[in-house]
Amino acid sequence: SQTIHQWPATLVQPVGSPLSLECTVEGTSNPNLYWYRQAAGRGLQLLFYSIGIDQISSEVPQNLSASRPQDRQFILSSKKLLLSDSGFYLCAWTTGGGYTFGSGTRLTVV
Amino acid sequence: GQQLNQSPQSMFIQEGEDVSMNCTSSSIFNTWLWYKQDPGEGPVLLIALYKAGELTSNGRLTAQFGITRKDSFLNISASIPSDVGIYFCAGMDSSYKLIFGSGTRLLVRP
Repeated sequence: SQTIHQWPATLVQPVGSPLSLECTVEGTSNPNLYWYRQAAGRGLQLLFYSIGIDQISSEVPQNLSASRPQDRQFILSSKKLLLSDSGFYLCAWTTGGGYTFGSGTRLTVV
Repeated sequence: GQQLNQSPQSMFIQEGEDVSMNCTSSSIFNTWLWYKQDPGEGPVLLIALYKAGELTSNGRLTAQFGITRKDSFLNISASIPSDVGIYFCAGMDSSYKLIFGSGTRLLVRP
């Protein structure tokens, strides 16, 4: 069966520290992968999407970057976190039908 | 960029009542999706719509893909307390990007 794993579930990081969030998908090949951010009480904002290895599109200019070193692995990174980077980060995948989301990472930058 | 207008922002209803929410867009979408999100979790797909005019049900939920491909609605009949949550519409374009509405927060009074 197809599953998506996202970790860690929660993270508290100081301002200026680096970030690495990982997302992996099992049970499918060549998925489209996505990173979304959700501010408290708000909708989901698309940050990055990838249609293949090393193919990353950025939707919003920001302090974050994404990489896809393997077909089923999608990584969200930052060299120096800002307070405004706090939020709920969600990874998702699709192969053309509906999206499936991971369980999310709640990031608090202090 | 593409935007979805979702309404209402919130609803506080009595258990047993029917609920209706909708989304409109300035752009055409190939697919409309409806998700529910519980606190601290990722969105869960409720209904996916793939054709203009399509009307699809999932238990007490019914959703329709508008003929113009620029709108969709979701109805919930005979609401129950576990329907509480945030409901999101989402439109998928031809490049498989999923754009979310701002959400409808549903509260159900027992």
